[in-house]
Amino acid sequence: EDKVVQSPLSLVVHEGDTVTLNCSYEVTNFRSLLWYKQEKKAPTFLFMLTSSGIEKKSGRLSSILDKKELFSILNITATQTGDSAVYLCAGVDNYGQNFVFGPGTRLSVLP
Amino acid sequence: NAGVTQTPKFQVLKTGQSMTLQCAQDMNHNSMYWYRQDPGMGLRLIYYSASEGTTDKGEVPNGYNVSRLNKREFSLRLESAAPSQTSVYFCASSDFRSSGRANEQFFGPGTRLTVL
Repeated sequence: EDKVVQSPLSLVVHEGDTVTLNCSYEVTNFRSLLWYKQEKKAPTFLFMLTSSGIEKKSGRLSSILDKKELFSILNITATQTGDSAVYLCAGVDNYGQNFVFGPGTRLSVLP
Repeated sequence: NAGVTQTPKFQVLKTGQSMTLQCAQDMNHNSMYWYRQDPGMGLRLIYYSASEGTTDKGEVPNGYNVSRLNKREFSLRLESAAPSQTSVYFCASSDFRSSGRANEQFFGPGTRLTVL
């Protein structure tokens, strides 16, 4: 059965800290790993990772995929209160149909 | 360009009542999806539609039906609502045939459904 596991499920840090969120996956015919940020409403897209070992960066956020070990990490440096959200990762198959989401990591950044 | 829209935003039903959640996208995407999100469980796929005229079951299809009315619209129907269907429902779309950001899903704002 396909599944995605995230850890930790919850994390509380102070502004300026660096955090690493983990995502491991088992998805049949795996194609890509996606990261989303969810604040109060709908998830918004952060990264899509398809190739192993290639870091994707956007400002203070970066992510990398290890297809051999079946995991991905999302790093956030110099955290800000606006980073407080639930971070979701999802594995998607080769046909672009089967999206399997993890339970999310709830990040709280305190001032 | 509105992206993905959903109606209604909120709904309260009594057990046994029926209703249809509407979803529309204006990005010319082939694929559309319905998810439910419950606390601590992430997003679970109810049904998806790879293209106009096709629908397939996801992880949790029981108690739901869907219709892909045309390329833009994908509706979710609860024939006889149950308290276990209390959840937040998200519609999403993607165009997995494209290159680059293929497989990114765009989400609607969600519908918060309570079944009493």
